[in-house]
Amino acid sequence: SQQGEEDPQALSIQEGENATMNCSYKTSINNLQWYRQNSGRGLVHLILIRSNEREKHSGRLRVTLDTSKKSSSLLITASRAADTASYFCAPAGYGGSNYKLTFGKGTLLTVNP
Amino acid sequence: KAGVTQTPRYLIKTRGQQVTLSCSPISGHRSVSWYQQTPGQGLQFLFEYFSETQRNKGNFPGRFSGRQFSNSRSEMNVSTLELGDSALYLCASSGATPDGYTFGSGTRLTVV
Repeated sequence: SQQGEEDPQALSIQEGENATMNCSYKTSINNLQWYRQNSGRGLVHLILIRSNEREKHSGRLRVTLDTSKKSSSLLITASRAADTASYFCAPAGYGGSNYKLTFGKGTLLTVNP
Repeated sequence: KAGVTQTPRYLIKTRGQQVTLSCSPISGHRSVSWYQQTPGQGLQFLFEYFSETQRNKGNFPGRFSGRQFSNSRSEMNVSTLELGDSALYLCASSGATPDGYTFGSGTRLTVV
């Protein structure tokens, strides 16, 4: 399966700073998705980047994908206290396995006011 | 439109009992996946159903089972509960193209 591994495991920053999280995976992918989870709640889909894309933006989020290095990064600019959450990447394969998203341990982001 | 609805939100069961959790996907979504989340193991994939068929399966014992109905609603069942089954169980649904899952708020199961 295409489990992603997020790095770092934890990140603590001040409000207004940028936060960068990285994701590595091992097999070829169709797309890679990023999710956020606030404590004890369900995951929220943030952004999807396809294997033929290198960069994608959504509001304060910027995602990059390097398929040659099998890695992706999520940048949150001008962070806010409300961005405090765990962030997960989920590489998605092809065909039926595209629906078997597997997640790593995530990056716990703490944004201090 | 309504999101993914999971019921119940909280559940306390005794070891050895069985439990059934329910998930109603977003209208029109035919793929439903289930995940178990614990502090130690993180998010683990249980299974995925599409049009009433189990299409993908994780590495869980046979005590964990699921099904999907013709209206895409799904249930998962855990028989002979163990203390280690205490977890947040998350359900997620997706449309025809997997452009991202919508997750429910989860069912918090506590086994005592």
